[in-house]
Amino acid sequence: SQTIHQWPATLVQPVGSPLSLECTVEGTSNPNLYWYRQAAGRGLQLLFYSVGIGQISSEVPQNLSASRPQDRQFILSSKKLLLSDSGFYLCAWSDQGQGNEKLFFGSGTQLSVL
Amino acid sequence: LAKTTQPVSMDSYEGQEVNITCSHNNIATNDYITWYQQFPSQGPRFIIQGYKTKVTNEVASLFIPADRKSSTLSLPRVSLSDTAVYYCLVGASNTGRRALTFGSGTRLQVQP
Repeated sequence: SQTIHQWPATLVQPVGSPLSLECTVEGTSNPNLYWYRQAAGRGLQLLFYSVGIGQISSEVPQNLSASRPQDRQFILSSKKLLLSDSGFYLCAWSDQGQGNEKLFFGSGTQLSVL
Repeated sequence: LAKTTQPVSMDSYEGQEVNITCSHNNIATNDYITWYQQFPSQGPRFIIQGYKTKVTNEVASLFIPADRKSSTLSLPRVSLSDTAVYYCLVGASNTGRRALTFGSGTRLQVQP
């Protein structure tokens, strides 16, 4: 069966420090991969998605970037964190080529920028 | 993309049936309707998906009328553990109308 791993679960970082969040998927190949962010008490905001290695689409201009160095690995990065980058970050995957796309989420990373 | 509208919140009691309706007036021919459940500090979890009429699985039913401009998620005999936020998404990835945008959802509070 397919599983998605996301780490770390929690992270406290000072303003101006770099960020790297990693997500890996097992049990499938060539998945679509996504990064979402959720502010406290709010809905999910799609940040980036990828349909293949090296292919990244950005939904919202911001202080973050994403990379997909391997088929089942998705990385969210920042060179210098801002206070506004705090939030709950979620990685997700879906099967390609399915009209009835279903998203499967990781357990999330709670990021606090202080 | 199909815009969806859901109630902001709903209250219920244990053992009752809960129906959450989602409006999607501009749904396209190839679009599917997908519902997710999210608990605090967790990622959303897929509940059910349908295209037309009725779909039932072990946790919920999804009712879709003939015009497909709305859908109703039905949770039978809710328990305290069903307290969560429920999201309705509409789209079809093979047409470019991907169901990736989560709105604010419906916050369901189940009381004892």
